[in-house]
Amino acid sequence: AQTVTQSQPEMSVQEAETVTLSCTYDTSESDYYLFWYKQPPSRQMILVIRQEAYKQQNATENRFSVNFQKAAKSFSLKISDSQLGDAAMYFCAYRTLKGPLVFGKGTRLSVIA
Amino acid sequence: DSGVTQTPKHLITATGQRVTLRCSPRSGDLSVYWYQQSLDQGLQFLIQYYNGEERAKGNILERFSAQQFPDLHSELNLSSLELGDSALYFCASSVFRGATYNEQFFGPGTRLTVL
Repeated sequence: AQTVTQSQPEMSVQEAETVTLSCTYDTSESDYYLFWYKQPPSRQMILVIRQEAYKQQNATENRFSVNFQKAAKSFSLKISDSQLGDAAMYFCAYRTLKGPLVFGKGTRLSVIA
Repeated sequence: DSGVTQTPKHLITATGQRVTLRCSPRSGDLSVYWYQQSLDQGLQFLIQYYNGEERAKGNILERFSAQQFPDLHSELNLSSLELGDSALYFCASSVFRGATYNEQFFGPGTRLTVL
């Protein structure tokens, strides 16, 4: 069974600084997708970034970028120029093309002004 | 706004009771996924329906059941409720067609509190 592990229950970062959230996963599939979701206090699930496993190039979305290491099964999220609005729970998730999402336990990110 | 609606937003009930959570997917989306977010279990997949038929099952208890109706809305039925069923229940929908990637869009969730 696929599993996703987030080893950092909590992280904090100074406003305008950079922070990296870690994620590892386990799968025997060769074709899959990896995600980072943000869950603010409103509890809405917001997709931050997506990475296709067949793509070697790391995905970027504005201030958010990933470091995807397929052989190591590692998928970290880097947030640059952190803003107060980035404070939230961040979930790493995995899925196959048609499958359901498998989530990690989450990392709570605090942003210090 | 993802286009996925869930009702009710909040539900408070007692142990032993039965409740129904409703989800309306985005227009055109054929597949509905149900996820449960609880403090101890985290976010986990419960069940998926595609065009009215059950497609995949996750960690769904026997006390829970779901269905998808011809108009594609879905209902999650929770019975003989226990304190541990208190959680945020999300519905997500996707097109689920073809051999290409289809995004899953999340609804706002239903917060269930069992007293």
